[in-house]
Amino acid sequence: DAGVTQSPTHLIKTRGQQVTLRCSPKSGHDTVSWYQQALGQGPQFIFQYYEEEERQRGNFPDRFSGHQFPNYSSELNVNALLLGDSALYLCASSLRSGAGNQPQHFGDGTRLSIL
Amino acid sequence: TQLLEQSPQFLSIQEGENLTVYCNSSSVFSSLQWYRQEPGEGPVLLVTVVTGGEVKKLKRLTFQFGDARKDSSLHITAAQTGDTGLYLCAGRRYGGSQGNLIFGKGTKLSVKP
Repeated sequence: DAGVTQSPTHLIKTRGQQVTLRCSPKSGHDTVSWYQQALGQGPQFIFQYYEEEERQRGNFPDRFSGHQFPNYSSELNVNALLLGDSALYLCASSLRSGAGNQPQHFGDGTRLSIL
Repeated sequence: TQLLEQSPQFLSIQEGENLTVYCNSSSVFSSLQWYRQEPGEGPVLLVTVVTGGEVKKLKRLTFQFGDARKDSSLHITAAQTGDTGLYLCAGRRYGGSQGNLIFGKGTKLSVKP
């Protein structure tokens, strides 16, 4: 039973470029959330996708956008990259239905470095 | 301003010692979760506490949710080198979705042999 998988594991970009990160949720999960974890910080919520729509969004600019596909996988896109976007980007999946405290399962993240 | 404050930020102890890490807030949470994260990996859920005053045990780890649901603690008995890692607490606000967890900065624990 595969857990949450993210690709690529590492990525180096330069300022102003655009990047797409990918996430496949754990089997059976239908909800995907994205987090940004800067060095020495805890993860910060970017947004959540369910039924192919963005359902909730954290305090991130419009340069951060996403998509969810019919198979529940998801992409995170970041435009006009800034040095401050360097971070570990984490994807977490969960099952939306059922009790409110459904556990989230995290992938190992994509380490994005901006030069 | 960090909504969830974790302390201490760093902790280095010898194997066999006991330790407690804290997670404090001025806000009330519907639930609070503890994760452990190792270098190069994503956070792994250890426990979810939901009821004020709740205590949960996971082998040598004891988790407590404050009566007012604003704080939590993690106590490790007889620490082992395998306990080394970053311990993160994360809270879910009332009305918040499953995904919108608010994380603290974490406590980086190093257990030396």
